[in-house]
Amino acid sequence: ETGVTQTPRHLVMGMTNKKSLKCEQHLGHNAMYWYKQSAKKPLELMFVYNFKEQTENNSVPSRFSPECPNSSHLFLHLHTLQPEDSALYLCASSQDHGNYGYTFGSGTRLTVV
Amino acid sequence: GENVEQHPSTLSVQEGDSAVIKCTYSDSASNYFPWYKQELGKRPQLIIDIRSNVGEKKDQRIAVTLNKTAKHFSLHITETQPEDSAVYFCAAANFGNEKLTFGTGTRLTIIP
Repeated sequence: ETGVTQTPRHLVMGMTNKKSLKCEQHLGHNAMYWYKQSAKKPLELMFVYNFKEQTENNSVPSRFSPECPNSSHLFLHLHTLQPEDSALYLCASSQDHGNYGYTFGSGTRLTVV
Repeated sequence: GENVEQHPSTLSVQEGDSAVIKCTYSDSASNYFPWYKQELGKRPQLIIDIRSNVGEKKDQRIAVTLNKTAKHFSLHITETQPEDSAVYFCAAANFGNEKLTFGTGTRLTIIP
């Protein structure tokens, strides 16, 4: 493990379901990120949290709702998703601002049926 | 905002040969440039990075060069091996940004 743990690793959900993705880091980092990775847009930034405050929402639809209760935990709540939301969702953390290397989690492979 | 372009999108090289991947960036204030390697089904991993106060950095078979004037940086892999096959992403950021801007990736295939 890299110090960034994502659960679950795989998730299949219907369009009317509600589910949550979890990310946890034990690196003492202050910034955490959600990325969507699909074939069409390889690494698409969704949300940025710095010191548990959301500092960026990259025009993400409201059916994705992030939550960061503390600097070590990050959630992505999902509801009424569309098939095109199927992708690999990657969490990352960094020591501080973006000019430090990211440590990525292994991702959650999401399939919306 | 920052825009990072990466070329080529796919690259095939014979085992033992060298591979070069190039990226350009738009924000002259960017000062941090990491490279990530993502093997099939795995997470992206940082393999090397460079800051704008140096022009080149090397780590065994991997090197990165930076040309601040032209706003481009490159990844060089020498003596390529099959385990180098992966997707490589470049990225750029400047102090004060809270995010890296990634390139679109290069799929590198090493031919045995």
